[in-house]
Amino acid sequence: GAVVSQHPSWVICKSGTSVKIECRSLDFQATTMFWYRQFPKQSLMLMATSNEGSKATYEQGVEKDKFLINHASLTLSTLTVTSAHPEDSSFYICSARDLWTGVQEKLFFGSGTQLSVL
Amino acid sequence: ELKVEQNPLFLSMQEGKNYTIYCNYSTTSDRLYWYRQDPGKSLESLFVLLSNGAVKQEGRLMASLDTKARLSTLHITAAVHDLSATYFCAVGDSGGGADGLTFGKGTHLIIQP
Repeated sequence: GAVVSQHPSWVICKSGTSVKIECRSLDFQATTMFWYRQFPKQSLMLMATSNEGSKATYEQGVEKDKFLINHASLTLSTLTVTSAHPEDSSFYICSARDLWTGVQEKLFFGSGTQLSVL
Repeated sequence: ELKVEQNPLFLSMQEGKNYTIYCNYSTTSDRLYWYRQDPGKSLESLFVLLSNGAVKQEGRLMASLDTKARLSTLHITAAVHDLSATYFCAVGDSGGGADGLTFGKGTHLIIQP
């Protein structure tokens, strides 16, 4: 089945630094990728929709200048948390939709990135 | 705004018992998903339901969808300890998959021997 690779799995950084998270579709092309955030023992909240070759669409309340999204190719989207602060500590998960097969049927999720900001 | 309500949020049950998790959503949708999440892990896809009356089964889990009632159920039959996890339902909009999913709050399921 399709695989979405997310890297890194976990990262610890100092407050004020920036962190980049990569999401790759390994065996399919994804025009659209989604970024979610999950706080401990809570649900997943959609942050933004990443579209290949165009600007990302952010959900209400998500700062686009803080969470920079780049979707430069059909297999790679990146989320950069800029000037991270402790309140940004969370589990970030990406998902991708296969362009060519069963548009609505399958969304593939990455393994997630646990970000801890000290 | 699409809202997804899941209940119960916490469920402790004994092995061998049956139980059902409910997922209600507020607006028309063309797809509903059930996922499993183990602690510290990402999501494992369980079921995708695309039409009214859809029923899917995998092992001890069975999911159904009633689009008229805007309700999906995840039924657990003869529960075993390995099914302990958090289960999420998630709903897509009617836009054909262009938008991300709205998740329920999750059901934390503990199955005791």
